[in-house]
Amino acid sequence: AQTVTQSQPEMSVQEAETVTLSCTYDTSENNYYLFWYKQPPSRQMILVIRQEAYKQQNATENRFSVNFQKAAKSFSLKISDSQLGDTAMYFCAFMIWGSGTYKYIFGTGTRLKVLA
Amino acid sequence: SAVISQKPSRDICQRGTSLTIQCQVDSQVTMMFWYRQQPGQSLTLIATANQGSEATYESGFVIDKFPISRPNLTFSTLTVSNMSPEDSSIYLCSGGTFLNEQYFGPGTRLTVT
Repeated sequence: AQTVTQSQPEMSVQEAETVTLSCTYDTSENNYYLFWYKQPPSRQMILVIRQEAYKQQNATENRFSVNFQKAAKSFSLKISDSQLGDTAMYFCAFMIWGSGTYKYIFGTGTRLKVLA
Repeated sequence: SAVISQKPSRDICQRGTSLTIQCQVDSQVTMMFWYRQQPGQSLTLIATANQGSEATYESGFVIDKFPISRPNLTFSTLTVSNMSPEDSSIYLCSGGTFLNEQYFGPGTRLTVT
């Protein structure tokens, strides 16, 4: 089965502090991409960061970075210098492909609240 | 990048009726998908909308209940047929190209009474 588990339904962090959101996944595929998406209260999902599974180097995007542990099937997101605008639902997901198509598997989400 | 719009943004419908949701992308995308999301919950993939052919449905979703059309690379519709209160949810459209970012629409909030 292809699953994504986010064990932290809700988290909060003080503005300017650092927070880490955890994600584990299960797949028998060898080739896949991992993503973190953010869904602010306005509801439209946007991409935060992406990691190719074949790359050992952890992806970084400004204040956002990941800790990708392929053997452990772990893909955590670290947000540094948290800002009020980071308040959102965060979804971990992976993309698998084959037979000319692809699809995403999403986790259950972590609701992050940044406190002033 | 791509911008995805959905219509309607919300609707309240009577049970037994059908609602068609439209999804428009401002650029050509290879793949389009339809998801269902309960408020504050994860996204459940309903189907992949294939251009010029029948949609590919996930387990638990059937064409008679959720017919999907995709006449071209920028437009798709999802119909929720013979609705019941259990169909009340947010329906999201997304689109993208292989190995690249997926773009999401703002969603359609459906309430069935």
